[in-house]
Order: sequence, then structure tokens, then C-alpha cells
Amino acid sequence: GENVEQHPSTLSVQEGDSAVIKCTYSDSASNYFPWYKQELGKRPQLIIDIRSNVGEKKDQRIAVTLNKTAKHFSLHITETQPEDSAVYFCAARIFGNEKLTFGTGTRLTIIP
Amino acid sequence: DTGVSQNPRHKITKRGQNVTFRCDPISEHNRLYWYRQTLGQGPEFLTYFQNEAQLEKSRLLSDRFSAERPKGSFSTLEIQRTEQGDSAMYLCASSGGWYQETQYFGPGTRLLVL
Repeated sequence: GENVEQHPSTLSVQEGDSAVIKCTYSDSASNYFPWYKQELGKRPQLIIDIRSNVGEKKDQRIAVTLNKTAKHFSLHITETQPEDSAVYFCAARIFGNEKLTFGTGTRLTIIP
Repeated sequence: DTGVSQNPRHKITKRGQNVTFRCDPISEHNRLYWYRQTLGQGPEFLTYFQNEAQLEKSRLLSDRFSAERPKGSFSTLEIQRTEQGDSAMYLCASSGGWYQETQYFGPGTRLLVL
């Protein structure tokens, strides 16, 4: 089965700076990689996703990059704001399968 | 609110009791998922329905766990003879439509087994 590792587990960033969270996956058959943001006591919410036929995707201050050869994908948040403080989870899904395999999460803290 | 809803939001029970949770997916979604999340961890897949058919079950889903989606709409997750290790947040998600891969999560049911 798929295994997803996520680093770092905690990240503190000065407001306005950029934050990068990295994930690796084990199964080369994975073709869908979503990122979820979970605020304390709230449901996970999708913030961006990428499919394996694309190397990079951007949505305003958020971008995701995918390196299929290395089986790495990363979340980039630019111009961070206090409301970006949350736990971020990466996930991967194997082609033909429906389940998402999640990383262990990164607690991002934006320092005002 | 047209999002995924779950009831109850919190459940405290004594070890050995049975509990049942309900999930109402987004109305047009034909796929429904159950995940379990423990403190400091990402959600772990439990099971998946397409319409009323349960198509995949995780090895995490022991014989004490059963899930149903009788009419292809809402789903229930029952845990029999609860154990303290069952304490967790139980999350439901739904998705639907061709090439619509996004899984939308509900607010979860937090279970505490005493």
C-alpha cells in the first residue's frame, strides 16, 4: 500500500515570509495529491490538489509542485498571514483506488 | 448548509457499549468515505461506498466495526463493544461526479470511550 511521509512536523514562519512543506510517497502508481488545511476543532478543507500529469499548480498565494521521478511533492505558501496558521496534511491516492493516504501533518504557526 | 454533516458531534460512552454515528453526504455525491483521526495524526481510511455498495474496507476495520449506506444516501458507522483504543475523531467525506476527485469532509464525531 501507499505510505506518505511529511516534513517538518512543526514550522514557524514570520508573517510575510514563505512556508514550504514537503511530502514523499512510496507507490509510483499514485496519481492524485491533495493538500488539506485543518484548523483547530474544524474539518479538513482542501486547499489545492495536483494530478500526476502536471508538474506545478498555483492558486494565488498557494502552489504545489510534484516531482514524479523522486516521488516528492511540496506545498508553498507565499506572503504568509496569521490566518494561515493551521495543521496542513498532504495525501496521495493510487490510480484506480479511492482511498487517500495522509501524511502525519505539519503544524504551521505564523508569527505576527 | 449543503456540506457534509455528521451526528452526533460528540459521544462519550463506557467501554463495552455500542455506538452508532451518522453521516449525511453532499446530496449529489455518490461516493462516501469514513476515516478515523487520532490526536496529532492524519486521517486514516476505514471504508468506502459507491452508492449503496461497500467497495473497500481497511484492515483497521475490525469485526466490531460495521458501516452501511442502505439507500445510497446517508451512512452509519457502528462500533460494537467499544474499547478505549476506539477513542478518536471519526470523519466522513463524500465526493461525486466523473473526474470529481475532491473529497469533502464533514465536521467529524469525536468519540471518547471511558
